[in-house]
Amino acid sequence: SQQGEEDPQALSIQEGENATMNCSYKTSINNLQWYRQNSGRGLVHLILIRSNEREKHSGRLRVTLDTSKKSSSLLITASRAADTASYFCATDVSNYKLTFGKGTLLTVNP
Amino acid sequence: DTGVSQDPRHKITKRGQNVTFRCDPISEHNRLYWYRQTLGQGPEFLTYFQNEAQLEKSRLLSDRFSAERPKGSFSTLEIQRTEQGDSAMYLCASSWGPGNQPQHFGDGTRLSIL
Repeated sequence: SQQGEEDPQALSIQEGENATMNCSYKTSINNLQWYRQNSGRGLVHLILIRSNEREKHSGRLRVTLDTSKKSSSLLITASRAADTASYFCATDVSNYKLTFGKGTLLTVNP
Repeated sequence: DTGVSQDPRHKITKRGQNVTFRCDPISEHNRLYWYRQTLGQGPEFLTYFQNEAQLEKSRLLSDRFSAERPKGSFSTLEIQRTEQGDSAMYLCASSWGPGNQPQHFGDGTRLSIL
């Protein structure tokens, strides 16, 4: 079953714009992770945010976590064509098993 | 490159045949995971090893599926008597430590059942 659900399912923006993706989940978590997947490839880990953290940054990425609302957001600033990919949130409730949503397909147009 | 390696990248086989996939994790990682991903979906957990011990198996892993991790290094996933519904991308990941660590994924094995 899907624990996390990303919103929107698809997002199309112009290069240089910011992209925001949201994730909602149902149960208490240990941490929440964001991954990127290019077509036909494996997943690349972007950011892990623990349940006691509210915000983390990594380069052009900013992740927030609101455990009271059971939601997270991923912001990509100054997007590039190379950011085109599917983005998944994954929740960790067991310290080993990740439960993924269906992902957001981001298209960045040059 | 010392990332997670999976072999083969693609496998096409006829229904009813057996297939085996291999995963070589990042060398210092003690944990290894198998996931399955179908088109338009996120990965779904199949099973997990800590060193050589298989600690959990999903209900998705029917008795036709078996996974091993001898000596706590590489892992194999075997599917016996393949069915059309087994067509998917099979992803392997590894991580280090007791938890709260990112999982590092390989590029997967895409299985197509004719």
